[in-house]
Amino acid sequence: DAGVTQSPTHLIKTRGQHVTLRCSPISGHKSVSWYQQVLGQGPQFIFQYYEKEERGRGNFPDRFSARQFPNYSSELNVNALLLGDSALYLCASSLKQNSPLHFGNGTRLTVT
Amino acid sequence: GIQVEQSPPDLILQEGANSTLRCNFSDSVNNLQWFHQNPWGQLINLFYIPSGTKQNGRLSATTVATERYSLLYISSSQTTDSGVYFCAVLWYAAGGSYIPTFGRGTSLIVHP
Repeated sequence: DAGVTQSPTHLIKTRGQHVTLRCSPISGHKSVSWYQQVLGQGPQFIFQYYEKEERGRGNFPDRFSARQFPNYSSELNVNALLLGDSALYLCASSLKQNSPLHFGNGTRLTVT
Repeated sequence: GIQVEQSPPDLILQEGANSTLRCNFSDSVNNLQWFHQNPWGQLINLFYIPSGTKQNGRLSATTVATERYSLLYISSSQTTDSGVYFCAVLWYAAGGSYIPTFGRGTSLIVHP
């Protein structure tokens, strides 16, 4: 079975632009969560979606938004990019909200 | 929110040595996972261990939920064990959300 897949793997954007990151969960998993990891820190929780509804939100500005589609894949959108948004963005899927997390390989975003 | 503290922050070992990594958390949790992040940023599941003890080859983990800590043991370390080890907890927040929270990690370097 395929694991969690994320696209693209790398991305370079300019300040003020917007970006869309994509995630496909493990087959059968209904929950997807998103994380931001900056150098030297642990992943920081951004959003969790379960059964296509937002079920949890971390301490991130409204420039960050996400959605989950009927096939349980998910998108993370970031508007008005700042230099500080440069990070590794990780997606995880799980069977249910409180099940073990399985991570994709991440998207490395650089904002110049 | 919950606080997750990992110690030590950095660890340098000679190949073949044993080590113990610790994760303390400040409140009751629904589950706990240990991850290994390799130099390419991939987060690899090591253990899902909300309580009790598990072993997988040279690695083992113990969680004492009532005392709010977990330990990860690495025996006969190898250079491939190098990387960052993260503890992540899932706690139940008001409003029905499960919030994943990571520690800052332990950076392990194993020298040949």
